[in-house]
Amino acid sequence: DAGVTQSPTHLIKTRGQHVTLRCSPISGHKSVSWYQQVLGQGPQFIFQYYEKEERGRGNFPDRFSARQFPNYSSELNVNALLLGDSALYLCASSLTSFIVGELFFGEGSRLTVL
Amino acid sequence: SQQGEEDPQALSIQEGENATMNCSYKTSINNLQWYRQNSGRGLVHLILIRSNEREKHSGRLRVTLDTSKKSSSLLITASRAADTASYFCATDRSHSGNTPLVFGKGTRLSVIA
Repeated sequence: DAGVTQSPTHLIKTRGQHVTLRCSPISGHKSVSWYQQVLGQGPQFIFQYYEKEERGRGNFPDRFSARQFPNYSSELNVNALLLGDSALYLCASSLTSFIVGELFFGEGSRLTVL
Repeated sequence: SQQGEEDPQALSIQEGENATMNCSYKTSINNLQWYRQNSGRGLVHLILIRSNEREKHSGRLRVTLDTSKKSSSLLITASRAADTASYFCATDRSHSGNTPLVFGKGTRLSVIA
């Protein structure tokens, strides 16, 4: 069975641009969470979606937005990119509506903002 | 904000030795999990220990949890070069509401062959 898939794997943007990152959860998983991991740090929670509804949001500015589609895949959008947005963006899926239990992570999308 | 703090930040050992990593956290938890990350790739779940458990084993992994001290430890026995990775603890406080899994900053383990 396929795991969590993310695209693109790497991308380079310039300040002020916007980016869309995509995630497909494990089949049967209805919850998707997004994390940002800056080099040398642990993952920081951005969003959680379950059944197409936002169930949690971390301490990130409104430039960050996300949505979940009927097939449970998800997009993370970041507008007006800043240099500090350079990071590995991780998507994780899980079975339940609450952010509990084991998370299954994708390989991430590495964003570089120049 | 980060709930868990791993200690040490970095650890270098010889193959065959045991590696111990510690995690301290601040508030009450539902469970605590350990994850592994190879060189900036995705995280892989290793083990979950519930707040009412004190010790758990999985293969060469042993995790302990002391809720009175708000701390956990991960022991990897008979380490191998392939164990070289970053290890993160993550706390689940979902009993307090719909809260996310919160990760620490991680311990970078290097196992030298």
